[in-house]
Amino acid sequence: GAVVSQHPSRVICKSGTSVKIECRSLDFQATTMFWYRQFPKKSLMLMATSNEGSKATYEQGVEKDKFLINHASLTLSTLTVTSAHPEDSSFYICSPFMNTEAFFGQGTRLTVV
Amino acid sequence: QKEVEQNSGPLSVPEGAIASLNCTYSDRVSQSFFWYRQYSGKSPELIMSIYSNGDKEDGRFTAQLNKASQYVSLLIRDSQPSDSATYLCAVTDPGGYQKVTFGTGTKLQVIP
Repeated sequence: GAVVSQHPSRVICKSGTSVKIECRSLDFQATTMFWYRQFPKKSLMLMATSNEGSKATYEQGVEKDKFLINHASLTLSTLTVTSAHPEDSSFYICSPFMNTEAFFGQGTRLTVV
Repeated sequence: QKEVEQNSGPLSVPEGAIASLNCTYSDRVSQSFFWYRQYSGKSPELIMSIYSNGDKEDGRFTAQLNKASQYVSLLIRDSQPSDSATYLCAVTDPGGYQKVTFGTGTKLQVIP
């Protein structure tokens, strides 16, 4: 299967700071990248969809100015959580899409204190 | 709004038994169907994909798709304690972004 590298795997940050999460597809090119958030014991919630070289499309209720997505190349996408607050604490997962299949990064556990 | 529905469980089965996981979806134009397994604190991993009506077998896993009934299932034969996880059903539509919609997942517990 395709190899996806997401890091950091865990991050603890202070309230008000920003955190960048990086997602790389190591052996394939992903034209589409999905970013998900998952709260404990809940399912994956799609935050946004991005295509290489264009602006991300955000799901309803997701603040685009708070969750900045950059998809500068076919192998790299980043999610920056700006001015993080404790309610942003969650498990963030990137999912590059190729052909008809979605692959997943290892996830990032964000804790905002 | 597209929906993918699963029973949240937990579904408990004894070791060696068959576990049957079910999923229904609302969008008739959905084309691709997937089952993912997610261990606690980990990302989902792909178990099976199925695109046409009928059964698809891979080792101990069998996916079944019935587009007329908008129903997809996953059977796990000879269930093992290591199969204990949450199983997510996912469907994609033929739209430009191939958006993936996930169900809420069914928690499976295999009792030794």
